[in-house]
Amino acid sequence: DGGITQSPKYLFRKEGQNVTLSCEQNLNHDAMYWYRQDPGQGLRLIYYSQIVNDFQKGDIAEGYSVSREKKESFPLTVTSAQKNPTAFYLCASRGQVITGELFFGEGSRLTVL
Amino acid sequence: AQSVAQPEDQVNVAEGNPLTVKCTYSVSGNPYLFWYVQYPNRGLQFLLKYITGDNLVKGSYGFEAEFNKSQTSFHLKKPSALVSDSALYFCAVRDGNTDKLIFGTGTRLQVFP
Repeated sequence: DGGITQSPKYLFRKEGQNVTLSCEQNLNHDAMYWYRQDPGQGLRLIYYSQIVNDFQKGDIAEGYSVSREKKESFPLTVTSAQKNPTAFYLCASRGQVITGELFFGEGSRLTVL
Repeated sequence: AQSVAQPEDQVNVAEGNPLTVKCTYSVSGNPYLFWYVQYPNRGLQFLLKYITGDNLVKGSYGFEAEFNKSQTSFHLKKPSALVSDSALYFCAVRDGNTDKLIFGTGTRLQVFP
């Protein structure tokens, strides 16, 4: 079935370590997004990519990095520079039409110990 | 700058009663409006969207929303609530000039039997 796969679902990290969250889609979508979800704050946009080898910063990009080497993959690295990385991370994609809705993965919950 | 407001953190309703979850928005161009639902520890699921045309939009699971341009609102409604509708609901807006989808802080809907 077509969809978006995020892994791992749960991840624990020690302070000072970088971690990479995987996001893969087989929907043939061009645009992909990373959001961070914290209780009471809704979803905040970290990075987005409209096409392979191109991406833009969202509203809270500091301490994060991404790459878009393949259409189906958009991994997110949470670096040690991110001061408060414990959160629920959601990846999404959108089809060719800019008015189209986003399709979301099941999320990855990162906890810093 | 575009923004979305969901003024109620939680809405409580008895099963069988009508429900309304409120959303207001602010954008510089034409608004593209969306509603999503999230169950615990899951990704977001698309419910419905307004792009243009009829102000009353019908979506999944019996939900509908009314676009009101003069009040800049896009309230989610359902004529008869179910206990299974209990979840977190997000309103989102995309500015027609960008590819950024901005989410509200979410409203928790609790339907009591």
